[in-house]
Amino acid sequence: DAGITQSPRHKVTETGTPVTLRCHQTENHRYMYWYRQDPGHGLRLIHYSYGVKDTDKGEVSDGYSVSRSKTEDFLLTLESATSSQTSVYFCAISLQGHEQFFGPGTRLTVL
Amino acid sequence: QQQVKQSPQSLIVQKGGISIINCAYENTAFDYFPWYQQFPGKGPALLIAIRPDVSEKKEGRFTISFNKSAKQFSLHIMDSQPGDSATYFCAASPSGNTDKLIFGTGTRLQVFP
Repeated sequence: DAGITQSPRHKVTETGTPVTLRCHQTENHRYMYWYRQDPGHGLRLIHYSYGVKDTDKGEVSDGYSVSRSKTEDFLLTLESATSSQTSVYFCAISLQGHEQFFGPGTRLTVL
Repeated sequence: QQQVKQSPQSLIVQKGGISIINCAYENTAFDYFPWYQQFPGKGPALLIAIRPDVSEKKEGRFTISFNKSAKQFSLHIMDSQPGDSATYFCAASPSGNTDKLIFGTGTRLQVFP
């Protein structure tokens, strides 16, 4: 998985609790992305980063926030988790844009 | 706001057959078209990609065909093998916005021996 780790790999939480997912890369790639994958929807971009402290919203950003204080780490936070945020979350990295390499994913269940 | 439409949703092919997955994009100009392969429990992996200045690209048993006027592109898997059984996603990158990809909804391919 191209030097990308995601933690945790699985998480079960309750509605209303905050959740933070971590993506860590060892490739020193500039771009980092968070996607969610749901049946029938493919991969949808939540947020992405084009450098330290430089982030922007994607297609489905409502209810999510991100932070990138170091090149290697990109955090995704669900401030108050809802059942609609039950999904598989993937982090991806890219050196110059276009070619993206994906991490192993985090399966999140919100009860 | 889906701008890349992928079909079919699922595909069953016999070993040795040809698997064909199609994608079409709408209105917006795109300049990079990758295909990703995903096995259960894994992240998507880049399989092959094409730019609109060529009509076809082949890598081993995998071929992308691109029709710019029709705004369509397709993945052909020749001599399909059970090990090709996976979910395939097409994607497109908007012109002038090289840091983003818009994905299709995926095709689950099953190759039976």
